[in-house]
Amino acid sequence: DAGITQSPRYKITETGRQVTLMCHQTWSHSYMFWYRQDLGHGLRLIYYSAAADITDKGEVPDGYVVSRSKTENFPLTLESATRSQTSVYFCASSAGQGVGEQYFGPGTRLTVT
Amino acid sequence: GDSVTQMEGPVTLSEEAFLTINCTYTATGYPSLFWYVQYPGEGLQLLLKATKADDKGSNKGFEATYRKETTSFHLEKGSVQVSDSAVYFCALRPLGNTDKLIFGTGTRLQVFP
Repeated sequence: DAGITQSPRYKITETGRQVTLMCHQTWSHSYMFWYRQDLGHGLRLIYYSAAADITDKGEVPDGYVVSRSKTENFPLTLESATRSQTSVYFCASSAGQGVGEQYFGPGTRLTVT
Repeated sequence: GDSVTQMEGPVTLSEEAFLTINCTYTATGYPSLFWYVQYPGEGLQLLLKATKADDKGSNKGFEATYRKETTSFHLEKGSVQVSDSAVYFCALRPLGNTDKLIFGTGTRLQVFP
């Protein structure tokens, strides 16, 4: 399917477990982003990537790891999940070159028990 | 640093009422400005954008004008529908060579028949 997809859509995990959220886009966009959305905080940027093998921290990177070996994929890993990481996670992509518009995936709702 | 401030919600309106959601920003120079909409259970979708002062973005009956003198980008619609019920996010793309966006905290709109 064309566009940007995330998997899984829903995930329940236990404190201390490692969890990986997947993001895949079919537009060959250079930029990809991970956000978390929490009540009262809006959207907060976790990590972003300008191209394959280039990643950088956003506003709230602690406890998260990213990689980008291929342009189309940008997985987000919680190495040891904590309850404070319970949130809705959104992946987004943009074409770069100063265009600015980001296109969002449908989100992953993660619950850490 | 750059920031976006939106009015607190929820905004509650009857169908066919006039809508204004206020957005002001703090930024260096002339950032690009965006409005995104998030329907329940979905990711964010780009609603409209403006890239320079006095530009008017419009889509689906919504409009917003880039006002440099008041650093504002208020969202308006002349006659809202129940289907417009959603969360609306104002965002800016700072000057520079990345596609990072800075989002406001979002304003929930509830439209009743």
